[in-house]
Order: sequence, then structure tokens, then C-alpha cells
Amino acid sequence: DAGITQSPRHKVTETGTPVTLRCHQTENHRYMYWYRQDPGHGLRLIHYSYGVKDTDKGEVSDGYSVSRSKTEDFLLTLESATSSQTSVYFCAILQTGAVSGELFFGEGSRLTVL
Amino acid sequence: QQQVKQSPQSLIVQKGGISIINCAYENTAFDYFPWYQQFPGKGPALLIAIRPDVSEKKEGRFTISFNKSAKQFSLHIMDSQPGDSATYFCAAAGRSGGGYQKVTFGTGTKLQVIP
Repeated sequence: DAGITQSPRHKVTETGTPVTLRCHQTENHRYMYWYRQDPGHGLRLIHYSYGVKDTDKGEVSDGYSVSRSKTEDFLLTLESATSSQTSVYFCAILQTGAVSGELFFGEGSRLTVL
Repeated sequence: QQQVKQSPQSLIVQKGGISIINCAYENTAFDYFPWYQQFPGKGPALLIAIRPDVSEKKEGRFTISFNKSAKQFSLHIMDSQPGDSATYFCAAAGRSGGGYQKVTFGTGTKLQVIP
């Protein structure tokens, strides 16, 4: 168990409001990722981090920002939520020493933007 | 641009039958090809994976077949069971242009195994 906790697990918000999702890990792994899952699109990478204050964009980064001020926390922020950002968001880590591609996922955060 | 294409989108298989899911990739820089299994309400979990220097890998009832020249790989589930009913994702992993580890997923296949 890689010890990933996502919060909140469920959130309903209104268009235009800011939203922050948190991913917390307990084992100091270097790589952390945020994906969104939508029917017909699978899992798409939003942003990822390869260390404290080191982040990069994924394929669907528009409208999202991230921050990693501590090894254990990776925050995903929607500055002004839109209905198109209604989705299930998954945080994942690459465990230290694991082979590239062997990600461990959190339980997901279901976000509904009205 | 979908770098990993997966088919079919959904699949219904009789108990005891063989489930086959196919994937194709474009980027030859990918160097690891995992499959993930996801049950409703849960995050995806690593099921089985293969490197491109191997043509086949088997773990129990699950087998990956890999064709490097065609840039295709597939998951075979032998003797499919109702407990295998889940969504399956293929993926391809490698280093990004910046040298950091990235994993790209297919669109998923929802498998239903009926008794």
C-alpha cells in the first residue's frame, strides 16, 4: 500500500468557483501525477511532478494549475471551474524503485461542476 | 491526439471464454507497456506489464502479446470469470522530452463476463 489519500472524495461546486483537490502520500516518492477520467477518453494526464516545486504539463492542462511545496502533497487547482471539468480525478505515484509505468493510484475525487 | 489507441470500447464474454483487448501505439520511445484493471468506484490497479524486447508475458490467466514491428499489443484473459468484469486500460510508458517518467493510457475497455 503506497499510502495515497485524495481529498475531498466528492465535491459539488458551481461554475466559476475555485476548487482545490489534494493528494497526500506518506512514503516520499518523487513522482506524482494527476489524471482525469472521462467516458470515452480513458485516463488523461493533467499535470505531473518530479520533485518539490518541479512540475510539468500533461496533455489536458488548460484550466488547471498544480503546486508541490512538500514531497508528500500535490495539489490540483481549478482556478475557475467549468462544467467541462466535471470528472473523476485520480492522483497517482510512481513508487521509488518501481519500473516506469507502474503507477499506484488513489481512490479518486469525483467533482461535479453545476 | 491519442497516442495509445484501444479497442473494443466494450466487450461481453461468456464465462470460460477468452477476452481479447487490443492496443496500438505511435511513439517508438515508449519502453514499457502495462495493463491496468479498474473496478467501479476504485482507482486503476496494475495487472500485468511487458517490455518491448519480449513478445509474450503470461501471469496466470492473463497474457500480454506484443508485436514491436506493428506497434501493437494485446491482453488475453483465458477462462474469463464474472470476477474479471471490470474496465481495462492499456498504457505505454517512457520518458518525456524533458526526461521525466510519463504514462499514457488508452481509452479503456469495459469487460462484462456473463455466467
